[in-house]
Amino acid sequence: QKEVEQNSGPLSVPEGAIASLNCTYSDRGSQSFFWYRQYSGKSPELIMFIYSNGDKEDGRFTAQLNKASQYVSLLIRDSQPSDSATYLCAVTDSNYQLIWGAGTKLIIKP
Amino acid sequence: DGGITQSPKYLFRKEGQNVTLSCEQNLNHDAMYWYRQDPGQGLRLIYYSQIVNDFQKGDIAEGYSVSREKKESFPLTVTSAQKNPTAFYLCASSMTGTGFHEQYFGPGTRLTVT
Repeated sequence: QKEVEQNSGPLSVPEGAIASLNCTYSDRGSQSFFWYRQYSGKSPELIMFIYSNGDKEDGRFTAQLNKASQYVSLLIRDSQPSDSATYLCAVTDSNYQLIWGAGTKLIIKP
Repeated sequence: DGGITQSPKYLFRKEGQNVTLSCEQNLNHDAMYWYRQDPGQGLRLIYYSQIVNDFQKGDIAEGYSVSREKKESFPLTVTSAQKNPTAFYLCASSMTGTGFHEQYFGPGTRLTVT
């Protein structure tokens, strides 16, 4: 069974620090990787996507992909209280369907 | 404004009743999806459609039905055969169904069946 694993948290990070969120996946054929942010009671919102090994930066967010080790991570620099949310990792399987992790709850403490 | 709309936001039904959830998009996306989210769990795919008049079952299609008569619209019917219908239902769309295009979500419909 294809799986995407995330630590459920909560992950508590002081304001201004770097938050590091991790995700591992089981399907070696996966080619597309996505991070979504979901505030309580709301729908998921796309933060970043990455296709190639290495780092991809967008503002305060950096996605890191290591296909050999089958993990993808999201770094949030200068964390703000508004970053407090659940972060969902999603990975395409060999049939191009998204497999979702259960999410990591992030709490930024002022 | 381009986006995805879902209605209603909250829906209450009695057991044994069918209910239809609306999803409309004006992004000109080819692919549309229905997911279900339960507390503390990831999104689970119910149905998806890559083109008008065609759709495929996802991982948890039993008790649900869909139609795709127009590119913009992908309604989901929750039938009385669905054993645990109370959940948060999310509709999404993407430019294509190849997996290389990100999915965008509507605001969701929270269904409660008693």
